[in-house]
Amino acid sequence: KQEVTQIPAALSVPEGENLVLNCSFTDSAIYNLQWFRQDPGKGLTSLLLIQSSQREQTSGRLNASLDKSSGRSTLYIAASQPGDSATYLCAVREANNLFFGTGTRLTVIP
Amino acid sequence: EPEVTQTPSHQVTQMGQEVILRCVPISNHLYFYWYRQILGQKVEFLVSFYNNEISEKSEIFDDQFSVERPDGSNFTLKIRSTKLEDSAMYFCASKGEQGRNQPQHFGDGTRLSIL
Repeated sequence: KQEVTQIPAALSVPEGENLVLNCSFTDSAIYNLQWFRQDPGKGLTSLLLIQSSQREQTSGRLNASLDKSSGRSTLYIAASQPGDSATYLCAVREANNLFFGTGTRLTVIP
Repeated sequence: EPEVTQTPSHQVTQMGQEVILRCVPISNHLYFYWYRQILGQKVEFLVSFYNNEISEKSEIFDDQFSVERPDGSNFTLKIRSTKLEDSAMYFCASKGEQGRNQPQHFGDGTRLSIL
């Protein structure tokens, strides 16, 4: 069964710093990998989706990479802002459903 | 931007009672999903629904659970006889097109508390 792990579980950084969040998965037979943002008490906002044939995707200050063969993905956030504070989840898609990691809780300190 | 909407935002129910969680997917979407997140744990897949039938379900989705699309806009999750361990956030999601690489769009969730 697919297992998705995210490290670290929590991260605090000062405003303006660049940071990397990590995601690993055990079964490389995935269709795609998605990064989500979850604010407290809120739903999941999709940030980036990387297809299994792609190596990276970029959106604004966010860059996600995928190394399918080694079962790893990273989410790079440039020039972090206090508004980036949230929990970041990665999820891999197999067949009809998504397997989620436990998330990284990011706090950006002004 | 179109949204997935879920009601109620918080539902409190006595153990053993039936509960129905409601979702209005994005209007032209065809694929629908329910997930749950127990406090402090991972988001877990429950069920996917397409063309008026379940296309896949997890081991969590036992006989106490059912889904329905009663009309052209709503998608519901029913729990027949709730248990304490059903307390969780329940998320609805929808997807527009066939294809492996279309993102799922999530609602804000319903927090279900079983007393």
